[in-house]
Amino acid sequence: GNSVTQMEGPVTLSEEAFLTINCTYTATGYPSLFWYVQYPGEGLQLLLKATKADDKGSNKGFEATYRKETTSFHLEKGSVQVSDSAVYFCALIYSYGKLTFGQGTILTVHP
Amino acid sequence: DGGITQSPKYLFRKEGQNVTLSCEQNLNHDAMYWYRQDPGQGLRLIYYSQIVNDFQKGDIAEGYSVSREKKESFPLTVTSAQKNPTAFYLCASYGTDYGYTFGSGTRLTVV
Repeated sequence: GNSVTQMEGPVTLSEEAFLTINCTYTATGYPSLFWYVQYPGEGLQLLLKATKADDKGSNKGFEATYRKETTSFHLEKGSVQVSDSAVYFCALIYSYGKLTFGQGTILTVHP
Repeated sequence: DGGITQSPKYLFRKEGQNVTLSCEQNLNHDAMYWYRQDPGQGLRLIYYSQIVNDFQKGDIAEGYSVSREKKESFPLTVTSAQKNPTAFYLCASYGTDYGYTFGSGTRLTVV
């Protein structure tokens, strides 16, 4: 079946540090891949997405590249801000629009 | 503004009681979904509906029920058969226009 594995967390960084959150997936075929962000007490917001191999999704300084050969979709940001503190979820979409999520990574950025 | 509205934001359930979580969307999406979020486990699919008057079980449907009598509405009932209902519940809809849209969630606590 389909599955998504995110790096163990939580992640704590200082402001302006480089961020990487690893995400690997197992799926039949070539699903679309997503990163969602969740702020405390809120629902999920789409951060970025990629629909086919070698696509790069980007938004608000975050980037992730769909790597078919390594089945990965790692999230990166060159310089994090305190306002980036949130929970980040990697996900893939499969039949009937259903999403499979990773377990989430808590990011805390200190000034 | 188009979106998804979940209510209530917080809900308390007594042992043996059924409770219903509301989810309404005005995006004109055919597909709607219910996910459960537990700490450290990501989101898991409870039920989904592709069209009015039709719905399917997700990965963790036991102890839950849904209905889809109107396109705009997809309420979730947490029955007394659900032994561990304390969680954060997220409703979502999916369409080719906006992709996935999530509500802001309902936090259910057993008292």
